[in-house]
Amino acid sequence: SQQGEEDPQALSIQEGENATMNCSYKTSINNLQWYRQNSGRGLVHLILIRSNEREKHSGRLRVTLDTSKKSSSLLITASRAADTASYFCATDQTGTALIFGKGTTLSVSS
Amino acid sequence: EAGVAQSPRYKIIEKRQSVAFWCNPISGHATLYWYQQILGQGPKLLIQFQNNGVVDDSQLPKDRFSAERLKGVDSTLKIQPAKLEDSAVYLCASRGGTGELFFGEGSRLTVL
Repeated sequence: SQQGEEDPQALSIQEGENATMNCSYKTSINNLQWYRQNSGRGLVHLILIRSNEREKHSGRLRVTLDTSKKSSSLLITASRAADTASYFCATDQTGTALIFGKGTTLSVSS
Repeated sequence: EAGVAQSPRYKIIEKRQSVAFWCNPISGHATLYWYQQILGQGPKLLIQFQNNGVVDDSQLPKDRFSAERLKGVDSTLKIQPAKLEDSAVYLCASRGGTGELFFGEGSRLTVL
């Protein structure tokens, strides 16, 4: 069953620009996580934000969480060509495994 | 620290044949998952193990898929007989202490 839905499905930007991806979900969560997947590779964990947190930073990544709107956003600042990948949000609910969305495909051109 | 190991990386089979995938999680990780990722979609949970016990297999097509985790360490996922719609990447993951998942590189299955 789908929990998180990312928006947009695809995003193309130039190097140096910021990239923003959004995730909406349907039910209460313990935490929300973002993952990156390079083409043909496994997923890599980027950041975890707990339900009682509103914002979290990690390097060039900034994640926000609005539990009242059941939504999260991932901001990548000063994008690089190496950021080209698919990005997935995943929701962690009590008693279930992580449920992933369909992802946003980010293309950063130099 | 070694990551999650999976094999084979690629497998091509005819429909109705069988295939098996192997996963060795990060040492000490009690929770292991198998996800199926169809091209263009997000990973979908097939089965979750806690040590050698099954926690959730509600989305595993049990008429053709089976999985085991003997001794609570490595795991095997089997498909028999395979269908065309089983073409996908099979991802194994183990869970770290703060709730994040560590994924292997995946096993890409093509069913002809």
